[in-house]
Amino acid sequence: DTAVSQTPKYLVTQMGNDKSIKCEQNLGHDTMYWYKQDSKKFLKIMFSYNNKELIINETVPNRFSPKSPDKAHLNLHINSLELGDSAVYFCASSPLTGLAKNIQYFGAGTRLSVL
Amino acid sequence: DQQVKQNSPSLSVQEGRISILNCDYTNSMFDYFLWYKKYPAEGPTFLISISSIKDKNEDGRFTVFLNKSAKHLSLHIVPSQPGDSAVYFCAATLLSSGNTPLVFGKGTRLSVIA
Repeated sequence: DTAVSQTPKYLVTQMGNDKSIKCEQNLGHDTMYWYKQDSKKFLKIMFSYNNKELIINETVPNRFSPKSPDKAHLNLHINSLELGDSAVYFCASSPLTGLAKNIQYFGAGTRLSVL
Repeated sequence: DQQVKQNSPSLSVQEGRISILNCDYTNSMFDYFLWYKKYPAEGPTFLISISSIKDKNEDGRFTVFLNKSAKHLSLHIVPSQPGDSAVYFCAATLLSSGNTPLVFGKGTRLSVIA
């Protein structure tokens, strides 16, 4: 039983399409995140949610829209996909309080390839 | 503008010897530092962390050292094992500000040779 699970693991699509990546955590954490790892291997924050509420939205194009139906899920929807969106997207979660509050647990990643 | 830098993209070490991975940061506001380990096709896995009020934290074969004045931290693995071969990411954050995102370095690929 994976703590943070993302689907799909691989996603190959054409430019201009709309796609979604799903993320679920069963750790009971209050905060969830989306990170992007680009071709230069940097892991950069995109969004952060606390109990379904958007906390951080780094300079990400409006084509990216996170949705949190409940605190265990944070999905990422991407409209009008562009070549530059090709990357590995990681979901993560962390508890809001306690000794482990800033230790983030990551999913296995979704490798998105836009052709 | 890299706030967290890992200047060595790769490191090779013989099994049984010590591995030392280095990390520098520029933002003096960072007060919590973490090391993550990543295998191919998997997500980063938390390894060890250190608060800025300490200069050393040890967990088994892994020790992290923090030099605040130099804005430098290092991860020591001793003895190194072939299973330690992975990419290691240094990360920093502002613990005092609540749940803030991690700022990652670019990673160092460690190869432990049997």
